[in-house]
Amino acid sequence: DIQMTQSPSSLSVSVGDRVTITCQASQDIKTYLNWYQQKPGKAPKVLIHDASTLAPGVPSRFSGSGSGTDFTFTISSLQPEDIATYYCQQYDKFPPFAFGQGTKLDIK
Amino acid sequence: QVQLVESGGGVVHPGGSLRLSCAASRVIFRYFGMHWVRQAPAKGLEWVAFISDDGSINYYADSVKGRFLVSRDDSENTLYLQLNNVGPDDTAVYFCARRYCGAASCHLDHWGPGTLVTVS
Repeated sequence: DIQMTQSPSSLSVSVGDRVTITCQASQDIKTYLNWYQQKPGKAPKVLIHDASTLAPGVPSRFSGSGSGTDFTFTISSLQPEDIATYYCQQYDKFPPFAFGQGTKLDIK
Repeated sequence: QVQLVESGGGVVHPGGSLRLSCAASRVIFRYFGMHWVRQAPAKGLEWVAFISDDGSINYYADSVKGRFLVSRDDSENTLYLQLNNVGPDDTAVYFCARRYCGAASCHLDHWGPGTLVTVS
């Protein structure tokens, strides 16, 4: 099974910060990597699919890159409403459709 | 706007059974594969099960294989997850989510708000 390793697990941030989260797959998953945002008590929401494609309506301060086994998710300038937990998910070799462990952002 | 709403959660005794439902509205349900994803209290997301658009393909996480059964009724626009022989590790919020596939790959583009299952 493919394992997804996401880091860091948590991050203390300030408004305006550039935020970078990484996700590593245990096998080559090409660009079949999605990023989700989850706010407390809410369902996840897709932000980026296929490693770098922004989902409809998602602000351009969010971006993704990578292919193969190494992927990066970036928020160029953190806004207060971006405080959430972020997850990567692979959609290449399944089952399982594995998620990363999550990265929780909190205000410094 | 696509809407997915889960129901059927509640308290169930260890070893017991429960059936979750996910009602879809404003969407052509029959054309989409569907997933169940769960989240234990204060934990991350765990993928649980998938069913293809025509119901012919099912996948399960190892942690639920042989105990959970995913099904769908396209005439009712409803997805189901039958939970059998549950244990404490099955305590979680269960989300249904729609699979959307583009030219290259797929992602989960619409999610329900979730339903809480407590095994106690």
